[in-house]
Amino acid sequence: QKEVEQNSGPLSVPEGAIASLNCTYSDRGSQSFFWYRQYSGKSPELIMSIYSNGDKEDGRFTAQLNKASQYVSLLIRDSQPSDSATYLCAVISTGTASKLTFGTGTRLQVTL
Amino acid sequence: SAVISQKPSRDICQRGTSLTIQCQVDSQVTMMFWYRQQPGQSLTLIATANQGSEATYESGFVIDKFPISRPNLTFSTLTVSNMSPEDSSIYLCSVISRYEQYFGPGTRLTVT
Repeated sequence: QKEVEQNSGPLSVPEGAIASLNCTYSDRGSQSFFWYRQYSGKSPELIMSIYSNGDKEDGRFTAQLNKASQYVSLLIRDSQPSDSATYLCAVISTGTASKLTFGTGTRLQVTL
Repeated sequence: SAVISQKPSRDICQRGTSLTIQCQVDSQVTMMFWYRQQPGQSLTLIATANQGSEATYESGFVIDKFPISRPNLTFSTLTVSNMSPEDSSIYLCSVISRYEQYFGPGTRLTVT
């Protein structure tokens, strides 16, 4: 069973702080990694994809990938109340024909 | 990214009946997926909808319960058959566009 694990939270950070969301995965051969944001009652929205080790930055978001440690993270700088949502980590594992395996999600609360 | 629409956005159905959910994409895509998200849970893949052939179902999901059509590269339907209250969920259509996966707005189904 190929798994993706996340802390369910809630992770509470004050406005303006850095939120750090973490995800581990079991399939060492996984090549593609994604972060989705899901507001309550809405569908998941793709915010970051990362395929190689290191950091990838897009605005206030930075995705970090460490394949040796089987770890992917999402940093949100200058957190805003509008960032409050559930963040889903998703992985394409080897031999799954592009099918995503999702973690259970981390609920982020940005407080004023 | 692809623009995905779903119909209906929500419905309340009686047990024992069936509901067909439609998914329309604004561009031709090879891979379309149907997911279910039960309250407070992450996403579970039901099946991959293949154009010109039968859908590929995940473990725990069967064609008799969730028949899928994929008549062309921009459209698919998912039918939830002989519904029970346990089928109450959000059903999401998803497509891969330029190696990234995007989700429709979802169909919120309540079975009474």
